[in-house]
Amino acid sequence: QSALTQPASVSGSPGQSITISCTGTSSDVGSYNLVSWYQQHPGKAPKLMIYEGNKRPSGVSNRFSGSKSGNTASLTISGLQAEDEADYYCCSYAGSSTWVFGGGTKLTVL
Amino acid sequence: QLQLQESGPGLVKPSETLSLTCTVSGGSISSSSYYWGWIRQPPGRGLEWIGNIYYSGSTYYNPSLKSRVTISVDTSKNQFSLKLSSVTAAETAVYYCARQGGSPSFFDSWGQGTLVTVSS
Repeated sequence: QSALTQPASVSGSPGQSITISCTGTSSDVGSYNLVSWYQQHPGKAPKLMIYEGNKRPSGVSNRFSGSKSGNTASLTISGLQAEDEADYYCCSYAGSSTWVFGGGTKLTVL
Repeated sequence: QLQLQESGPGLVKPSETLSLTCTVSGGSISSSSYYWGWIRQPPGRGLEWIGNIYYSGSTYYNPSLKSRVTISVDTSKNQFSLKLSSVTAAETAVYYCARQGGSPSFFDSWGQGTLVTVSS
């Protein structure tokens, strides 16, 4: 069970859109529609932003969206705002009742 | 409003056993809709799933930690606990407890986390 692969960092200007990728294998991301995304500000606990690929919990802005193609899931944030600057983590079901996280991506809003 | 709170020693010696408890308030740990999990994060690094437990006592562990991890539940106290044996300095991390919903699918509620340092 290896960690999912995310880019170490991405950046964008306010108002722009960015996409963070999360690459797994046919044993995790590719086999199940159970990818979730978490936002983590420094010193804080992670916050659920997207679940089951493209669903948003109540209270999460519709600027956040998720998708998947093959073994890669993606998180897109549109209309970037300063408050979006944070670390983002993907998580996928990996079979046999186990879960695996990505290495995390630091989003910088320029 | 559901709240989760981790508690336990902040310092553990190498080769000893790390023990933490998560107290759940504002909701019942015996709900059939949720699992309860532990996740850790070494300083400056990413998240790692440790394991989950269902209120019935069924447990699920990260294969890389399975031989050293025990997660248990005490429904009478609305708590669940983590024990990790034979710890090393590399396991210094913030340990989070979390609720997993969606049968399960996602971690929708997290504790604030507790830093556990492994050092002599």
